[in-house]
Amino acid sequence: DIQMTQSPSSLSASVGDRVTITCRASQGISNYLAWFQQKPGKAPKSLIYAASSLQSGVPSKFSGSGSGTDFTLTISSLQPEDFATYYCQQYKSYPLTFGGGTKVEIK
Amino acid sequence: QVQLVESGGGVVQPGRSLRLSCAASGFTFSIFGMHWVRQAPGKGLEWVALISYDGGAEYYADSVKGRFTISRDNSKNTLYLQMSSLRPEDTAVYYCAKDRGSHWLVRLVDYWGQGTLVTVSS
Repeated sequence: DIQMTQSPSSLSASVGDRVTITCRASQGISNYLAWFQQKPGKAPKSLIYAASSLQSGVPSKFSGSGSGTDFTLTISSLQPEDFATYYCQQYKSYPLTFGGGTKVEIK
Repeated sequence: QVQLVESGGGVVQPGRSLRLSCAASGFTFSIFGMHWVRQAPGKGLEWVALISYDGGAEYYADSVKGRFTISRDNSKNTLYLQMSSLRPEDTAVYYCAKDRGSHWLVRLVDYWGQGTLVTVSS
């Protein structure tokens, strides 16, 4: 199975900050990498697929990059509605696997 | 707009069975693969199963293989998850989710339901 490791597991940031979250795969997954956002008590929401493509309706302040084993999710200017937990997921092979999540909190 | 509404969750004793349903609307259900993903209380996301658009292919996480069965009824726009031999560690919110690819599996979720809670406890 492909293991997905996110860092950090949590971070504190202020409104307006630029935030970067890292995701590492235990083996190469090309660009088969997705990012999801989940707010407390809510279902996840799809943000990015193919490592860097935005899902329809997702604002351009979110961006993704990477290929192979190392990936990043960047939020260019953090807003109050962006405080949430973010998960990466590989969809290169079965079983599909998620990272452990990164909780973005208000400083 | 895409809507996925899960139902069937509840409290069940260890070793018993339960069937979850997911009613889909707002898209052509019969041409998209569908997933189940779960989340234990306070934990992260875990992919559970995936079924192809026509039901001809199924894929499972090792943790549920042989105990859970994913199926679909395209005439009713409904996805199912039959869960048997339930264990306390199966306690979770179960999300139904749509695959991005039509007529072939991309293995990528693009829309999620709101989830249904399954609690396995005596």
